[in-house]
Amino acid sequence: GENVEQHPSTLSVQEGDSAVIKCTYSDSASNYFPWYKQELGKGPQLIIDIRSNVGEKKDQRIAVTLNKTAKHFSLHITETQPEDSAVYFCAAPEGSARQLTFGSGTQLTVLP
Amino acid sequence: SQTIHQWPATLVQPVGSPLSLECTVEGTSNPNLYWYRQAAGRGLQLLFYSIGIDQISSEVPQNLSASRPQDRQFILSSKKLLLSDSGFYLCAWTGNIFAEAFFGQGTRLTVV
Repeated sequence: GENVEQHPSTLSVQEGDSAVIKCTYSDSASNYFPWYKQELGKGPQLIIDIRSNVGEKKDQRIAVTLNKTAKHFSLHITETQPEDSAVYFCAAPEGSARQLTFGSGTQLTVLP
Repeated sequence: SQTIHQWPATLVQPVGSPLSLECTVEGTSNPNLYWYRQAAGRGLQLLFYSIGIDQISSEVPQNLSASRPQDRQFILSSKKLLLSDSGFYLCAWTGNIFAEAFFGQGTRLTVV
């Protein structure tokens, strides 16, 4: 099955700085890599995803990069704001199955 | 559009009492359905998943059970709650394309 590792587990940055969260996966057949943001007391929400046919995708201040050879993908948040503070999860599917395996999460704190 | 409903939002139950958490999905058919637990406020522990009516797979042996009496209804139950069942429970569904997952808002269960 798929194994997803996520680093770091906690990350503190100053407002306006960039934040980077990294994940590695084990199943080379995986073809879809989403990122979720979970605010306190709420369910995770999809914020960006990337398919395996592209190496980078950007949506305003957030971007995701994918290196299929190395089997890792990263979330980049630029110009961080206090409202970016949350737990972020990466995920990868079990090969062609519809079930996602999640990373262990990163608590991002943006300091004002 | 698709929506997922999960209730109740919070629940305080005594040890030894029964549990029933309900999750329903609207706007889609034949979804994969999932129950997760966050015991430490971070990682997503998969408890059960279902690919169809009365088709339930358990990921972790425990004091809980799940049922899917209808295509878009997923129920998490316990006959006798333990203190260790306390946590944040999340229902989720995935569709037919790329395993994109959508989460409910969660249930905060406190066993006292």
